[in-house]
Amino acid sequence: QTHLQESGPGLIKPSETLSLTCTVSGGSITSYYWSWIRQPPGKGLEFIGYVYFSGSTYHNPSLRSRVTMSVDTSKMQISLRLSSVTAADTAVYYCARGGGGLPMRDWGPGSLVTVSA
Amino acid sequence: ALQLTQFPSSLSASVGDRVTITCRASQGIRDSLAWYQHKPGKSPILLIYGVSNLEPGTPSRFSGSASETEFSLTISSLQPEDFATYYCQYFNSYPPITFGQGTRLDIK
Repeated sequence: QTHLQESGPGLIKPSETLSLTCTVSGGSITSYYWSWIRQPPGKGLEFIGYVYFSGSTYHNPSLRSRVTMSVDTSKMQISLRLSSVTAADTAVYYCARGGGGLPMRDWGPGSLVTVSA
Repeated sequence: ALQLTQFPSSLSASVGDRVTITCRASQGIRDSLAWYQHKPGKSPILLIYGVSNLEPGTPSRFSGSASETEFSLTISSLQPEDFATYYCQYFNSYPPITFGQGTRLDIK
């Protein structure tokens, strides 16, 4: 079974850029879509965007152009960058295999990112 | 924009009860509807996709159905491990992937 593991800074300051990495193991990174989802404290799940192994991306329009996603197939990693963060971006961030017309079958354990001065 | 409205937002039930959670879409979404179970401190688990298809490993007491833009998740006989928050999800790309706001299922 495919295993996913998010890694990130834990704490960043307002206006900085959040950078998260999802490492994939136990399966292929190619031929799949990879999604990012977040859950703010006490709230529900929010779709951020997905990236195809080829590099094409799609993000939630609500996040405007703050989102950048990429895939490094040689490292088996998917990356998320979210610019100009505010306290509203404080959340547990999950990576998942799926998107692009498919449900999300495999999820990482999540990475809590707190935005605070 | 597509909206998925779940109801009830919270529900208290007992072990052995039959419960139904509903997800209403603001527009037609065909069969691009999935259900997830989410427990605190854990990652979400895909239960059902394509309205009514059980993901391998999902117990048979879970089932999904639809009537036009109203989708339902039913648990036929609640087990202790079923107490969690459940989310419906539209998983196609256009409109954007969308989650319902969640239904919290508690022990009565």
